[in-house]
Amino acid sequence: GAVVSQHPSRVICKSGTSVKIECRSLDFQATTMFWYRQFPKQSLMLMATSNEGSKATYEQGVEKDKFLINHASLTLSTLTVTSAHPEDSSFYICSANPVTSGGNEQFFGPGTRLTVL
Amino acid sequence: DQQVKQNSPSLSVQEGRISILNCDYTNSMFDYFLWYKKYPAEGPTFLISISSIKDKNEDGRFTVFLNKSAKHLSLHIVPSQPGDSAVYFCAATYTGGTSYGKLTFGQGTILTVHP
Repeated sequence: GAVVSQHPSRVICKSGTSVKIECRSLDFQATTMFWYRQFPKQSLMLMATSNEGSKATYEQGVEKDKFLINHASLTLSTLTVTSAHPEDSSFYICSANPVTSGGNEQFFGPGTRLTVL
Repeated sequence: DQQVKQNSPSLSVQEGRISILNCDYTNSMFDYFLWYKKYPAEGPTFLISISSIKDKNEDGRFTVFLNKSAKHLSLHIVPSQPGDSAVYFCAATYTGGTSYGKLTFGQGTILTVHP
């Protein structure tokens, strides 16, 4: 149980285009999902907290107009990188807390490797 | 400001021996700590956690120790197996208020277990 999927697993795009990444909880419902990014050989950095039915909460330094988050249902959150540039190339990972859990154990998706040319 | 630190970027251990991964934190508000294992190009996998009301939690070969006064936790793996080779992240969170669920990660430690 507690499986989180991400799609696509890898995407290469041209500079200036927008890319949408989906995060789904497959066998549980999640009122809250989190989006992280990881640069090579670095830690996971929390970008934003995605709340079902309300606006996402962004961490300091993360541009909300560039990284659009939509949490449309209890099993789906999407991250759209708008007007992507090479510096946005990174590994993006989502996580989710099952509604029925104590909320402390997050389950992570497999990640999406974004490469912007 | 790195609130969670893993000062050892790598650790090499012989199969069958104990692996000890260390983690320090600075934020005294953190009250729940987790260890994750991660392979390249994959998401982290939850291993074990500990609440600040405890000083030890054990699950099979994995034991986490928490020293609140020193703001230090460690993950012990015994016996270590080659399949344990991965990057290990410690993470911390504060379970109250608006920070609920937000994890702060350390930089990770690459564990290599040699046969």
